[in-house]
Amino acid sequence: AQSVSQHNHHVILSEAASLELGCNYSYGGTVNLFWYVQYPGQHLQLLLKYFSGDPLVKGIKGFEAEFIKSKFSFNLRKPSVQWSDTAEYFCATGFGNEKLTFGTGTRLTIIP
Amino acid sequence: DAGITQSPRHKVTETGTPVTLRCHQTENHRYMYWYRQDPGHGLRLIHYSYGVKDTDKGEVSDGYSVSRSKTEDFLLTLESATSSQTSVYFCAISTDRGGYGYTFGSGTRLTVV
Repeated sequence: AQSVSQHNHHVILSEAASLELGCNYSYGGTVNLFWYVQYPGQHLQLLLKYFSGDPLVKGIKGFEAEFIKSKFSFNLRKPSVQWSDTAEYFCATGFGNEKLTFGTGTRLTIIP
Repeated sequence: DAGITQSPRHKVTETGTPVTLRCHQTENHRYMYWYRQDPGHGLRLIHYSYGVKDTDKGEVSDGYSVSRSKTEDFLLTLESATSSQTSVYFCAISTDRGGYGYTFGSGTRLTVV
């Protein structure tokens, strides 16, 4: 079975710091990759996705992610975080005709 | 999100009572899912549906049943609620099994006392 690992459970940063959240997946074939964000008290919303092509994907609110096939990774980055980025972030993978597999999430706290 | 609604948004119920949560979509998506979200566990799939009257179990299906009599509605029933089922429940929809991502509902916060 496919699995997704998010090794950072809770990340605390100051405003304007750079962010990188790790995501590794287990499947070695062609996968679709996603990052979802969940703001406090809200539902999950799609932040960005990768299907094919340029491995550097740009999403909403200044976020980007890089697909590195050799490392089975799809890390999320943002050069300068804001207090409003405080949220929980979920990586997910999907391939073929299978359901999405989600990581356990990373809670991000931004200190003003 | 527009196109997918969950009801109720909040519910408090007593141990041993049956509870039904509703997910309604207007997108005509074939696939629908029920997840529960708990601290430290992320999202765990309870049941999913790939069409009217076609459902299957997820990883944490014990104590839950589902029904889908219409494309737009996917019901989750806790047959006899227990305190361990206190959680936030999210419904999601997709056009396929997952290759193109899911759209999530706003969630139902269920407390079993």
